[in-house]
Amino acid sequence: EDQVTQSPEALRLQEGESSSLNCSYTVSGLRGLFWYRQDPGKGPEFLFTLYSAGEEKEKERLKATLTKKESFLHITAPKPEDSATYLCAVGGNKLVFGAGTILRVKS
Amino acid sequence: GAVVSQHPSWVICKSGTSVKIECRSLDFQATTMFWYRQFPKQSLMLMATSNEGSKATYEQGVEKDKFLINHASLTLSTLTVTSAHPEDSSFYICSVSYGGARGGSDTQYFGPGTRLTVL
Repeated sequence: EDQVTQSPEALRLQEGESSSLNCSYTVSGLRGLFWYRQDPGKGPEFLFTLYSAGEEKEKERLKATLTKKESFLHITAPKPEDSATYLCAVGGNKLVFGAGTILRVKS
Repeated sequence: GAVVSQHPSWVICKSGTSVKIECRSLDFQATTMFWYRQFPKQSLMLMATSNEGSKATYEQGVEKDKFLINHASLTLSTLTVTSAHPEDSSFYICSVSYGGARGGSDTQYFGPGTRLTVL
């Protein structure tokens, strides 16, 4: 059974304080690892898809990386508007989501 | 990416009534849509996979007679919660899958969600 574990559960950062979120997974045949951002009361917003170990993708202050066992979402010099829940999911016939990391960035 | 809408964005109903939620793919024809449920401070749980022109595939533990799914066209899927009870109160979110690459899974794009409150 596919499993996804995200850590930490919650993270508080000062504006400009870079950090990383972790997504560990076990899956029989990875067909994609997905990162989403979810704001309160809204649906998840797509950020990145990674397909193979060593792959990296960037968007503004966010960078996602992938190994054979885990993925990291690096946040460089975060701003308060980056505050959200970040969800990781692995894909096969269906997506299996982790519990998410709640990020709070204070100015 | 794909643009997905949901209607209504929130609904309050009395216990025992039925509620229909619409999910629309606005910019491409979606043969497959997904329905998720999210309880407060929890992650998304897949309820069912909706296939255009055929019966939906429900996840284990999801009552197909309670959560009726109709995918009558390539741009519209509906979820009807029948005889709703307070325990059905939740955030319901649909998604469409689009644009898989290199033999991998398609990326799912999500709607804005529908907040259901059953009194």
